Amino acid sequence: EDQVTQSPEALRLQEGESSSLNCSYTVSGLRGLFWYRQDPGKGPEFLFTLYSAGEEKEKERLKATLTKKESFLHITAPKPEDSATYLCAVPGSNDYKLSFGAGTTVTVRA
Amino acid sequence: DSGVTQTPKHLITATGQRVTLRCSPRSGDLSVYWYQQSLDQGLQFLIHYYNGEERAKGNILERFSAQQFPDLHSELNLSSLELGDSALYFCASSLSGLTGAEAFFGQGTRLTVV
Repeated sequence: EDQVTQSPEALRLQEGESSSLNCSYTVSGLRGLFWYRQDPGKGPEFLFTLYSAGEEKEKERLKATLTKKESFLHITAPKPEDSATYLCAVPGSNDYKLSFGAGTTVTVRA
Repeated sequence: DSGVTQTPKHLITATGQRVTLRCSPRSGDLSVYWYQQSLDQGLQFLIHYYNGEERAKGNILERFSAQQFPDLHSELNLSSLELGDSALYFCASSLSGLTGAEAFFGQGTRLTVV
């Protein structure tokens, strides 16, 4: 069964304190790994798609990287507005439904 | 704004009732996905439609059903509602259901069953 595991569950950072979130997956024939940001009570907001090991994508203070077994979301010099739950997801081995990890809730204190 | 529209935003109803949630996908997107998110669970996939046809089913209860219409909007019907059905229901759309295309989510419908 396809699985997505995210760690840590929660991350409390001081403004400017860089850190990384992990997403490990078990799916045969990866057809993309997606990162989303979700604010409380809102729909997930698409951030990045990564397709192959070694690929990197950047957006403002966020950088996503991909290896054969896991992906990292690096947050550089975070600001309070980066506080959110970050979700990663992969399509299934046999279909294109997204399986989501439980998410990492990031809190950035000023 | 993702371009995916869900109505209503909030719904409060009694146990045993039936409700319909509506989703309009982004212009040009052929795939619609429905997800349920409750407090103690993450995003749980319910069902996927592509260009009017059902493509994949997740752990969707028999009391729940969905369809995608010729204009590509979709409806999720929930019947014989129970307290445990209270959750956020999200619709997402993507251009294709045939590749790992990124999906864009609506703002959700918050269903409260009392």
